[in-house]
Amino acid sequence: NAGVTQTPKFRILKIGQSMTLQCAQDMNHNYMYWYRQDPGMGLKLIYYSVGAGITDKGEVPNGYNVSRSTTEDFPLRLELAAPSQTSVYFCASSPFSGAAYEQYFGPGTRLTVT
Amino acid sequence: KQEVTQIPAALSVPEGENLVLNCSFTDSAIYNLQWFRQDPGKGLTSLLLIQSSQREQTSGRLNASLDKSSGRSTLYIAASQPGDSATYLCAVRHLPINSGGSNYKLTFGKGTLLTVNP
Repeated sequence: NAGVTQTPKFRILKIGQSMTLQCAQDMNHNYMYWYRQDPGMGLKLIYYSVGAGITDKGEVPNGYNVSRSTTEDFPLRLELAAPSQTSVYFCASSPFSGAAYEQYFGPGTRLTVT
Repeated sequence: KQEVTQIPAALSVPEGENLVLNCSFTDSAIYNLQWFRQDPGKGLTSLLLIQSSQREQTSGRLNASLDKSSGRSTLYIAASQPGDSATYLCAVRHLPINSGGSNYKLTFGKGTLLTVNP
């Protein structure tokens, strides 16, 4: 059981380039999330999804896009990368149930835009 | 808007000491509160989850308490060890806004950097 996996672990982009951060979970969780963590700051929600085909914006969605074609995968797309997008990106998932809604996090992708 | 504050921002203690990390939140209408541990360059590991109806949760040497009415939670670590050195984050999940459910959002504090010296 791999849990939540993210690729790549590290990436350096030039300004204006695009890339997709991959996230997958094997726990059959309906809810998935993308967060960014800037140095010395708490995590901020970029986008989330409550199931395949359903996505919505979080606190800081500008400059990003997501899609959710399957329950397992939730990729995050950066278009026209900017230095302000230098951050560590975390993907998370949680089950849809009447229980705790605990979120499970991936190891993160460290992105530098220069 | 919910704000989560963690005090202190950094804490250094000798091995074996008992310690308390604090978390406060401005909106008491929360669904639950989750404590995480983050090691340098790593992801978040969930430590404890406290539902809004609970007062505390325990796991090994860790005990988390919740006082929803005053907007506070504490994480107590007993007999600290160098392996406990990490950043500890608390996060609150908001109550659903409607039946469609907005009970997904976690609002995070900035964390407390704990160093346990041998």
